[in-house]
Amino acid sequence: GNSVTQMEGPVTLSEEAFLTINCTYTATGYPSLFWYVQYPGEGLQLLLKATKADDKGSNKGFEATYRKETTSFHLEKGSVQVSDSAVYFCARKQGQGNLIFGKGTKLSVKP
Amino acid sequence: EPEVTQTPSHQVTQMGQEVILRCVPISNHLYFYWYRQILGQKVEFLVSFYNNEISEKSEIFDDQFSVERPDGSNFTLKIRSTKLEDSAMYFCASLIGRGGMTDTQYFGPGTRLTVL
Repeated sequence: GNSVTQMEGPVTLSEEAFLTINCTYTATGYPSLFWYVQYPGEGLQLLLKATKADDKGSNKGFEATYRKETTSFHLEKGSVQVSDSAVYFCARKQGQGNLIFGKGTKLSVKP
Repeated sequence: EPEVTQTPSHQVTQMGQEVILRCVPISNHLYFYWYRQILGQKVEFLVSFYNNEISEKSEIFDDQFSVERPDGSNFTLKIRSTKLEDSAMYFCASLIGRGGMTDTQYFGPGTRLTVL
């Protein structure tokens, strides 16, 4: 089927720790992949995206590489900040542009 | 910076009542979407809308749901007779769609619907 699976949360880290949130997808072909972030009380914001295999999306110190061999798009950041506390959603494009989302991973960063 | 807005932020209704959730997409965008997220579950696609008609819908989007763009700015989702299981956060999104459709959908803050 067509789905997106991301690691269960919540994830709690100390400031400056390394972050990885795993995401894998199933699809026919090579759909565009996205990470969205939802800060408390706000809507979903695009964090980064990759439109083809081996592309690396990056923004605000976050990175994710489109790996077709492992059908993965793991989110990483080398040094998290308290302000990164949010819910992170992995998603893939399908059909006429609608998105399939993972369940979301809540990140809490402690000072 | 332009943004998608949604009203109300929280709607409480009785089972069987009709509700209308409102969205104002970004003004020059052509594609509009509704998604929902039941508490603790995935964000799920409901429907996409282009050129004043539904372009795609999921199996969730049954006859109880309808969408409309009544004027040049609003995009609404109507649930005719709400059920307890309709309680969820509903997100509206828009996409520019011009000059080669880009991939980026811009989301509103959501409306939390509670059906009692």
